[in-house]
Amino acid sequence: DSGVTQTPKHLITATGQRVTLRCSPRSGDLSVYWYQQSLDQGLQFLIQYYNGEERAKGNILERFSAQQFPDLHSELNLSSLELGDSALYFCASSRTGRTQYFGPGTRLLVL
Amino acid sequence: AQKVTQAQTEISVVEKEDVTLDCVYETRDTTYYLFWYKQPPSGELVFLIRRNSFDEQNEISGRYSWNFQKSTSSFNFTITASQVVDSAVYFCALSLIGNEKLTFGTGTRLTIIP
Repeated sequence: DSGVTQTPKHLITATGQRVTLRCSPRSGDLSVYWYQQSLDQGLQFLIQYYNGEERAKGNILERFSAQQFPDLHSELNLSSLELGDSALYFCASSRTGRTQYFGPGTRLLVL
Repeated sequence: AQKVTQAQTEISVVEKEDVTLDCVYETRDTTYYLFWYKQPPSGELVFLIRRNSFDEQNEISGRYSWNFQKSTSSFNFTITASQVVDSAVYFCALSLIGNEKLTFGTGTRLTIIP
């Protein structure tokens, strides 16, 4: 158990809908990262937050957004969902920026 | 841009055999970190090891060992006396010091046959 929690574990929704994925980092970790794992794209970095501020952006679609709250938990919002958004979404956290510890992931299925 | 290549898509070995997973990376930066993560069938990503670019010492942890060679830009992972519990997808990854995003390889699916 990495200490990073993610909810929900599974999510099934329809095209055009909006969902929110939640992540709680390990105690004391200020950085939160979001990654997407899909069959065609592999593991891709989406976005990083550090202590509430956006620090780095990767291949994140405009339909996706994220935020980190004062209690350091983070949410990834996915809107206008398409079939191709079906993937495993991981959150990771880090204290020093060196090693990232991953949560169990949220498996999203868009029908 | 950084790139990590894991040329072995799938490997199957019989239990107790040794197996080496290859990882080759590309970066123009001189300071970086290299990682191995394990993704068992349950789906989570488990951190195994981090190496700094300025530390080429090989590392051994139980049945696991890692060979880091800057001259060939490789960071290979060997499992000795493999066990069924080692069956998983293994990912090699790289991040730059000062830019924490992980660039992952495509992974190697390792199956240990009992």
